[in-house]
Amino acid sequence: ELKVEQNPLFLSMQEGKNYTIYCNYSTTSDRLYWYRQDPGKSLESLFVLLSNGAVKQEGRLMASLDTKARLSTLHITAAVHDLSATYFCAVDETSGSRLTFGEGTQLTVNP
Amino acid sequence: ETGVTQSPTHLIKTRGQQVTLRCSSQSGHNTVSWYQQALGQGPQFIFQYYREEENGRGNFPPRFSGLQFPNYSSELNVNALELDDSALYLCASSPRVRGTDTQYFGPGTRLTVL
Repeated sequence: ELKVEQNPLFLSMQEGKNYTIYCNYSTTSDRLYWYRQDPGKSLESLFVLLSNGAVKQEGRLMASLDTKARLSTLHITAAVHDLSATYFCAVDETSGSRLTFGEGTQLTVNP
Repeated sequence: ETGVTQSPTHLIKTRGQQVTLRCSSQSGHNTVSWYQQALGQGPQFIFQYYREEENGRGNFPPRFSGLQFPNYSSELNVNALELDDSALYLCASSPRVRGTDTQYFGPGTRLTVL
């Protein structure tokens, strides 16, 4: 059974600081997705990583994938309050759009 | 291009009742997946429909069932509701079953079972 683990689960950081969220998964897969969820809202797609070594960046967020280590990272650069949300990684092991999600990382960026 | 829509937004039911949730997929998308998200947890895969057929199911009992219609909209039915069924139910659509496309999520239906 595929397991997806994120850490940390809770992250409180100051504006302007950098930090990384880690996503480990237990089986072979080269399809990993990052989503953002604001309180009471649905999931917003951030990144799709489809191969070993893939790196994608959007604004202050950068995601990478190491399929050999079964690890993805979401790096936050110079955090701003608007980035406060819960971030989920999800793995598709079946190539059929069946996603297994991590528990989520609740990020709070303080002024 | 319209996004994924779901109805109703909120629903309150009592134990033992039945509920139907609805989802309209994004234009051009023929695959619909349903997820259950309990409070404070990540979404869990319930099942997926592709061209009106169930195409994969997660670890949910048979009282969770679904349909997909020719226009690719979908329903999730839950019979004999239990308290633990209280959750946010998310529908996601994608252009095809096999591939690397992102799943686009709807706003969700918040179900409360009393």
